[in-house]
Amino acid sequence: GAGVSQSPSNKVTEKGKDVELRCDPISGHTALYWYRQRLGQGLEFLIYFQGNSAPDKSGLPSDRFSAERTGESVSTLTIQRTQQEDSAVYLCASSLFTGLLPEAFFGQGTRLTVV
Amino acid sequence: KQEVTQIPAALSVPEGENLVLNCSFTDSAIYNLQWFRQDPGKGLTSLLLIQSSQREQTSGRLNASLDKSSGRSTLYIAASQPGDSATYLCAASDSWGKLQFGAGTQVVVTP
Repeated sequence: GAGVSQSPSNKVTEKGKDVELRCDPISGHTALYWYRQRLGQGLEFLIYFQGNSAPDKSGLPSDRFSAERTGESVSTLTIQRTQQEDSAVYLCASSLFTGLLPEAFFGQGTRLTVV
Repeated sequence: KQEVTQIPAALSVPEGENLVLNCSFTDSAIYNLQWFRQDPGKGLTSLLLIQSSQREQTSGRLNASLDKSSGRSTLYIAASQPGDSATYLCAASDSWGKLQFGAGTQVVVTP
């Protein structure tokens, strides 16, 4: 596609429910990243994929968070047993990682509200 | 651990003035430095990317400099316009493209 696409754009869920957030990267981009931005705070790194492997999961805040990626395509971030502190905008980025110019392009984000 | 700081946190200028946004980072072993713009309720738009071997990048009214030795980058926006009002983020990249972001500078350009 023309850009990074994320769905849904907004999600309201009840505390304790599981949610899945989807990211469709730019076609051909091998690297995919998930970030989180809580209200009034900066962006926090969550996880990085190169292809369908995740060499860096260091930013996942707890074992309630997991992510997977199908080949070099769509990625899903799953949050189990959501808590109110999970409320944030979740941003996905992709890059054509050639080792020379890994410029990141971001999607519009999914705004998650846990009530 | 890389830490990125942006000063000032907020800035208000009248239309036509030049903007100077500062970014500092603690680990000079960065792969590149990227500047983004974020509008309320929207994602990030990439403005400029400076590779670690470069000193500056220019695009239209925007110019970004990079001094790795001192751990600083500066974004200059010439002849500001109300449409430049947004939050500007800088981010330092490691060799995997993982970005460490500053907290941002919120800019308001008044007509």
